[in-house]
Amino acid sequence: EPEVTQTPSHQVTQMGQEVILRCVPISNHLYFYWYRQILGQKVEFLVSFYNNEISEKSEIFDDQFSVERPDGSNFTLKIRSTKLEDSAMYFCASKKRGGPGEQYFGPGTRLTVT
Amino acid sequence: AQKITQTQPGMFVQEKEAVTLDCTYDTSDPSYGLFWYKQPSSGEMIFLIYQGSYDQQNATEGRYSLNFQKARKSANLVISASQLGDSAMYFCAMRGERSNTGKLIFGQGTTLQVKP
Repeated sequence: EPEVTQTPSHQVTQMGQEVILRCVPISNHLYFYWYRQILGQKVEFLVSFYNNEISEKSEIFDDQFSVERPDGSNFTLKIRSTKLEDSAMYFCASKKRGGPGEQYFGPGTRLTVT
Repeated sequence: AQKITQTQPGMFVQEKEAVTLDCTYDTSDPSYGLFWYKQPSSGEMIFLIYQGSYDQQNATEGRYSLNFQKARKSANLVISASQLGDSAMYFCAMRGERSNTGKLIFGQGTTLQVKP
């Protein structure tokens, strides 16, 4: 069964450093998303991506964040200058066009900023 | 404003019994979708079940069913015949209002512990 994959599973970085989180969505899906979950809290929407551009973003998704689909399969989230409060689990998700709209999530990348 | 509320931070259930996890919501959208996801201790988010606001029948998916009461704005998840592997965090979610890409808004989650 096709699934969303994410790498790395855990990333440790120092404050101020840039990180890139990578995702491979399900191949016939057209909508891609990033969410984050700070430890013990609920899952929060960051950004959605469709037709090679950002279609929606939350207040959390400020200028230090960017997303890219550099080729036909990868979908990346870049955090330019990490802060301590960026420490969280980051989930990539994808969805096909039509249907009820369920999103399929990857296993997540745990980002720890020290 | 759109809101999803899960009032039970933690629940216990005996193995093989049924359990209901509560979810209430508020939205101004006349048409909306509700989802439940399971998050085991390993961290991944697993889609369980979907209910559309205009669906005539309550959704069912194996041991999962959704007790959808539109007038009360509730969409409770019922897990029948609980198994030890059902121990996890469960999140209720709905599509964001006026979202053109179907972003999901999540509740705070309920931790379910199944006792042997």
